[in-house]
Amino acid sequence: GAVVSQHPSWVICKSGTSVKIECRSLDFQATTMFWYRQFPKQSLMLMATSNEGSKATYEQGVEKDKFLINHASLTLSTLTVTSAHPEDSSFYICSATDPGKPSGEQYFGPGTRLTVT
Amino acid sequence: QQQVKQSPQSLIVQKGGIPIINCAYENTAFDYFPWYQQFPGKGPALLIAIRPDVSEKKEGRFTISFNKSAKQFSLHIMDSQPGDSATYFCAASNGGGDMRFGAGTRLTVKP
Repeated sequence: GAVVSQHPSWVICKSGTSVKIECRSLDFQATTMFWYRQFPKQSLMLMATSNEGSKATYEQGVEKDKFLINHASLTLSTLTVTSAHPEDSSFYICSATDPGKPSGEQYFGPGTRLTVT
Repeated sequence: QQQVKQSPQSLIVQKGGIPIINCAYENTAFDYFPWYQQFPGKGPALLIAIRPDVSEKKEGRFTISFNKSAKQFSLHIMDSQPGDSATYFCAASNGGGDMRFGAGTRLTVKP
């Protein structure tokens, strides 16, 4: 149980274009989803927290107009990287909490590798 | 953003050895302390987790030791195998799901 998927698993886009990454909870309803970014050989850095039906809360230093997060349903959150630049190339990972499980537990997706050329 | 300090940065052991990875935290509101294993190009996978009401938890070859007064916790891997070679992250979160990760430890187990 508590499976989280991401799509696509990898994407290459040209500088200036936008790309959307989907995060889905497959067997539970996720009231809260999290988006992380991980640069090579570094740790996961929390970008934003999204709750279903409300605006995402962004961490300090993360541009909310550049990284658009939509959590329109209890099983789907999307991250759109707008006007992507090469420095946005990174590994993006989402996670979700299952309200039926003990508090604090997060279930991670497999990640999406974004390369901006 | 790094509220959890992890050491060492890298670790090399022989097969059968017992690598130990340490973490320390500051925020006493944290009440959930997981360890994640990550292979290159993959998302982190939950290995084992502990809550502050116990001092030790063991699952298979993996053991967490937790010292609440010192605000420290550690991961021990018994009888380590080459397949355990990966990056390990400790983390800490509160009831609201705000999870913070350590910097990671790259473990290499030599055959």
